[in-house]
Amino acid sequence: GIQVEQSPPDLILQEGANSTLRCNFSDSVNNLQWFHQNPWGQLINLFYIPSGTKQNGRLSATTVATERYSLLYISSSQTTDSGVYFCAVETGNQFYFGTGTSLTVIP
Amino acid sequence: ETGVTQSPTHLIKTRGQQVTLRCSSQSGHNTVSWYQQALGQGPQFIFQYYREEENGRGNFPPRFSGLQFPNYSSELNVNALELDDSALYLCASSLRDTEAFFGQGTRLTVV
Repeated sequence: GIQVEQSPPDLILQEGANSTLRCNFSDSVNNLQWFHQNPWGQLINLFYIPSGTKQNGRLSATTVATERYSLLYISSSQTTDSGVYFCAVETGNQFYFGTGTSLTVIP
Repeated sequence: ETGVTQSPTHLIKTRGQQVTLRCSSQSGHNTVSWYQQALGQGPQFIFQYYREEENGRGNFPPRFSGLQFPNYSSELNVNALELDDSALYLCASSLRDTEAFFGQGTRLTVV
């Protein structure tokens, strides 16, 4: 099956700093989403982005499908941004989550 | 609030027992997918249902089975529970091939 790798695995930021999370996938995909998982396990939708660039407040994302990667940008980070970020891809009715990036934002 | 509701939120079962987890999809959605998330790992795809038919399956044994009802709600059944089945079980609903929205999950503990 398709391999989905995220980097970095862990990230510690000072409040107010910017960061870039990366998601690489090993084959063509139909769909790609970014999620934030809160401490209670709820997956919060951030972006549905099979290709192109989208922005939502302090967050933005870019997917370059031809080069098989996606980036999630977090600007002016806040403590509430802490948690695990997952990208997930869909191909051939199979869904694959990445390994996740654990983000800690310290005041 | 995604509109996807799972029940129960927590459950404790004994090894060898059977369990049924439930998921109510968001209004208008016809596709439900189920995932297993072990502690410290990413969610693993179990299967997907589209209009009451299984539409895709991950690498899980047949003792993991499911149903989708005419109102597009869904059940996940697991027979002959094993200790390794302890995990957070997540369901997601969507229109086919579009953005998926997740429920809050059911945390299953097998003892």
